[in-house]
Amino acid sequence: SQQGEEDPQALSIQEGENATMNCSYKTSINNLQWYRQNSGRGLVHLILIRSNEREKHSGRLRVTLDTSKKSSSLLITASRAADTASYFCATDENTGGFKTIFGAGTRLFVKA
Amino acid sequence: EPEVTQTPSHQVTQMGQEVILRCVPISNHLYFYWYRQILGQKVEFLVSFYNNEISEKSEIFDDQFSVERPDGSNFTLKIRSTKLEDSAMYFCASSEFHSGNTIYFGEGSWLTVV
Repeated sequence: SQQGEEDPQALSIQEGENATMNCSYKTSINNLQWYRQNSGRGLVHLILIRSNEREKHSGRLRVTLDTSKKSSSLLITASRAADTASYFCATDENTGGFKTIFGAGTRLFVKA
Repeated sequence: EPEVTQTPSHQVTQMGQEVILRCVPISNHLYFYWYRQILGQKVEFLVSFYNNEISEKSEIFDDQFSVERPDGSNFTLKIRSTKLEDSAMYFCASSEFHSGNTIYFGEGSWLTVV
């Protein structure tokens, strides 16, 4: 089955630096979403990018989508300690069913 | 802001017992989901539900599992005869539409099977 797979698995940066996380997937999609999860908490939706879009911004977040390479990236600019969390990409399989699949996630640690 | 609510937040159960996890999706949403996350691992899709029936289910969602929308507001996940490996965080989620729509997650129900 299709999955989004993120890399790196873990990322440690200093506050103020930018963090880039990548996601790859295997089959055609309708859209791709990025979620954030603080330890032991629920998933918080960050941004959705549709298959016909190439780039989207939301505050300090920038998401790109390259459907030819089946990949997406999430850039967090000017990171803060509060950005420390796990970040997951999620894809809707283009099968007509209702199934959103999550990748393994990138654990981001922002040092103050 | 409307939110998905789940109960209980934490449940400990004996192996072999039945467990029911409850969820109240956002009121105008039509699509409902259950996911699980074993500690330290990825979020795994279990099942999606629309129009009072299962739309898709994963290989994990075997005969041990069932879902129900017993009334207009609740959405439940039943796990019959729990096993140790069922210990995980179970997330309920809902969305207004499916494709191209944000899925909103609850805070999860942490199930520990002993």
